[in-house]
Amino acid sequence: GQQLNQSPQSMFIQEGEDVSMNCTSSSIFNTWLWYKQDPGEGPVLLIALYKAGELTSNGRLTAQFGITRKDSFLNISASIPSDVGIYFCAGSATGGSQGNLIFGKGTKLSVKP
Amino acid sequence: DADVTQTPRNRITKTGKRIMLECSQTKGHDRMYWYRQDPGLGLQLIYYSFDVKDINKGEISDGYSVSRQAQAKFSLSLESAIPNQTALYFCATSDFRVNYGYTFGSGTRLTVV
Repeated sequence: GQQLNQSPQSMFIQEGEDVSMNCTSSSIFNTWLWYKQDPGEGPVLLIALYKAGELTSNGRLTAQFGITRKDSFLNISASIPSDVGIYFCAGSATGGSQGNLIFGKGTKLSVKP
Repeated sequence: DADVTQTPRNRITKTGKRIMLECSQTKGHDRMYWYRQDPGLGLQLIYYSFDVKDINKGEISDGYSVSRQAQAKFSLSLESAIPNQTALYFCATSDFRVNYGYTFGSGTRLTVV
């Protein structure tokens, strides 16, 4: 079946540093989503992308829908301690009313004050 | 109140016991999902339902069953719990336009001893 490869698996950074993570798929996706999971909570949607090449920001977060439609990137600028958590990418290959989301395995972010 | 409510939040049960995890939503969404999260494995889909009369197996349905009692309620049962079903379980909802992403509950932490 379809799989998403998300990297890196984990990151340990200093407060103030920028963060980059990415997801690649073996097939073309029509939708890319990025979620954040705080410890002890469910994932929360951060950014949704619907068109190849689309670049969307949400505060210090910026995500891009890759031109090939097989990848997506999430960048966090000037990290702060509350950025700690697990970040998941998710994609839908069929889009619209048909497809379920496929999730990556997550990137665990740790931020040292 | 939360849009997606899961009960209980934590549960310890013995091997061989039957247990039910409940999920209710106030989003008015037609689609509901059950996911399992193990460390390092991301979110694995157990079952999903597109409406009250529609139930579908996900990638790891063995050992689990579900019931969609109403549009707003979707419960997950473990007929005979085993220790390797110890995990964090999430319920999620979406409307038919899956591109808009899922809304997750806060999760149920299940321990089978």
